[in-house]
Amino acid sequence: DGGITQSPKYLFRKEGQNVTLSCEQNLNHDAMYWYRQDPGQGLRLIYYSQIVNDFQKGDIAEGYSVSREKKESFPLTVTSAQKNPTAFYLCASSIGSYNEQFFGPGTRLTVL
Amino acid sequence: AQSVTQLDSHVSVSEGTPVLLRCNYSSSYSPSLFWYVQHPNKGLQLLLKYTSAATLVKGINGFEAEFKKSETSFHLTKPSAHMSDAAEYFCVVSDLDPTSGTYKYIFGTGTRLKVLA
Repeated sequence: DGGITQSPKYLFRKEGQNVTLSCEQNLNHDAMYWYRQDPGQGLRLIYYSQIVNDFQKGDIAEGYSVSREKKESFPLTVTSAQKNPTAFYLCASSIGSYNEQFFGPGTRLTVL
Repeated sequence: AQSVTQLDSHVSVSEGTPVLLRCNYSSSYSPSLFWYVQHPNKGLQLLLKYTSAATLVKGINGFEAEFKKSETSFHLTKPSAHMSDAAEYFCVVSDLDPTSGTYKYIFGTGTRLKVLA
């Protein structure tokens, strides 16, 4: 059953901690993306990767980091430098940047 | 610069009545356009897409949208609302970013659809 999985579904972080959100896809897609969703603001692009071992900053990359060591995996680390990390995080993938994106179920991160 | 405007942040309809969710866009090139649906605490599901073929696009669950270039609009419609349609809907334009040479998604801020029994 092909798709995108994100884990965990809910994540709680204390201030000053780094946390890593997992995103895995078995769709054989080259491109992967991380978005942040806040109420009333739509989705904003954090990072994207068009191919293994390559990624680019999106519109709100400050305080975040990513890696793309495998085609299937695109983990996102929320660092302590991110001033307001409480949000819903969505991972997506597509065959190429021109094609439609498919989304995972999301991870809700709350900073305590 | 590319942008997407969803004209209504909230829409309420009665079950069995038509649904209209409005979307206008601006784009420098020939965009692709999408509608996605999101149920609470879930990911986004693709409803339909326009990629320069037929201007009237049919999607899943009885939804359709019409691309009108002269009006720069891509409104989403459904003839008869069902309770299960209650969700948030996002209009998205995919357009070429000349700086990076890649296509980027630009999201509208969403329309929350409420269906009344």
